[in-house]
Amino acid sequence: EAGVVQSPRYKIIEKKQPVAFWCNPISGHNTLYWYLQNLGQGPELLIRYENEEAVDDSQLPKDRFSAERLKGVDSTLKIQPAELGDSAVYLCASSLGLAESYNEQFFGPGTRLTVL
Amino acid sequence: QQPVQSPQAVILREGEDAVINCSSSKALYSVHWYRQKHGEAPVFLMILLKGGEQKGHEKISASFNEKKQQSSLYLTASQLSYSGTYFCGTAGSSNTGKLIFGQGTTLQVKP
Repeated sequence: EAGVVQSPRYKIIEKKQPVAFWCNPISGHNTLYWYLQNLGQGPELLIRYENEEAVDDSQLPKDRFSAERLKGVDSTLKIQPAELGDSAVYLCASSLGLAESYNEQFFGPGTRLTVL
Repeated sequence: QQPVQSPQAVILREGEDAVINCSSSKALYSVHWYRQKHGEAPVFLMILLKGGEQKGHEKISASFNEKKQQSSLYLTASQLSYSGTYFCGTAGSSNTGKLIFGQGTTLQVKP
């Protein structure tokens, strides 16, 4: 079974440039998560989708971040414009069930973003 | 509210035991444990649910004290492959609770 696929794995951009990350979850997984992970910290949720609906985007900085999950399968996270403080690893995860409180999450390898 | 993990880091020799603790100031429905090796994705280890149900890894054990809002992960007879950063995630008092991860505990197992 293929795992969660993310691309690119690494991205270096200059501040104020746009950037996009792509995630393909495990086939059949209804729930998709985007997390931000700073160095030495745990993952922090940015947005959670149940199928194509964003059910929790309370931590997403909506002035510069946007996300979509068309057709309820793969997803794209965008930052425009990027700031120096956005440098981090962006993790995508998926789970079969809808409740994050008792469902195992499968994480992708992440995209390491460096903003210069 | 973010759970607090302790210790922040631990160094062991192969074969030694370790305990990693996770505590919350809020009532919990579930505690999740993940391990992340450097540069890799976090990998699921275990979920402990209110009421005693557990799902996960056969070789790793954990406890969940609902009254104290604490969980402990027990790594016995550690192997080199146990090295990595362990994260607990806690979800609030209902089955619709949001999962929030702790800051992590780095475990290094030396030969």
